[in-house]
Amino acid sequence: KQEVTQIPAALSVPEGENLVLNCSFTDSAIYNLQWFRQDPGKGLTSLLLIQSSQREQTSGRLNASLDKSSGRSTLYIAASQPGDSATYLCAATGNTPLVFGKGTRLSVIA
Amino acid sequence: DTGVSQDPRHKITKRGQNVTFRCDPISEHNRLYWYRQTLGQGPEFLTYFQNEAQLEKSRLLSDRFSAERPKGSFSTLEIQRTEQGDSAMYLCASSSRQGATNEKLFFGSGTQLSVL
Repeated sequence: KQEVTQIPAALSVPEGENLVLNCSFTDSAIYNLQWFRQDPGKGLTSLLLIQSSQREQTSGRLNASLDKSSGRSTLYIAASQPGDSATYLCAATGNTPLVFGKGTRLSVIA
Repeated sequence: DTGVSQDPRHKITKRGQNVTFRCDPISEHNRLYWYRQTLGQGPEFLTYFQNEAQLEKSRLLSDRFSAERPKGSFSTLEIQRTEQGDSAMYLCASSSRQGATNEKLFFGSGTQLSVL
């Protein structure tokens, strides 16, 4: 059974700082890993999808990496802004539909 | 492409009542998923459809829950005899699956259910 863990559960940083969010998964037989953003009381917005054959994906200030052998993914956010404040969720899919972690709640302080 | 639409956005009901939620996926997306999310947790998978066929149901989906996707378009999720433990955000997502590795899910804004 796939299990996804995210560390830390919460993070507070000053504006402009670069930061890394961590995600680990127990079953390395994944098809892809996805990172989502969720604002309070809202649905999920897809940020990046890394296919199992890929090592990383980039979109603007976001960079996500994937290491299947170690069961880890990281989301790197450069030059953080107050608008980046949200909960970030990672999710892995393989033989089962997307399995989510509990998320990292990010606060970027101006 | 108007995105995934869910209705209603909020639902307050009394314990024991039946409720029904609707999800309209992105047009021509062949897969539709239902997830449930409680405060401080990640979304948990409930069930999914490929076109009109319900392909998988989670053990979380008790007999009080039923989902349909007639004609492979919109979907409904019904909860009968609601319990306070059913209070959660119910999220719908759709995808146009063209390969196992690049299936990207698009989520709606969710229906927040409160059972009093």
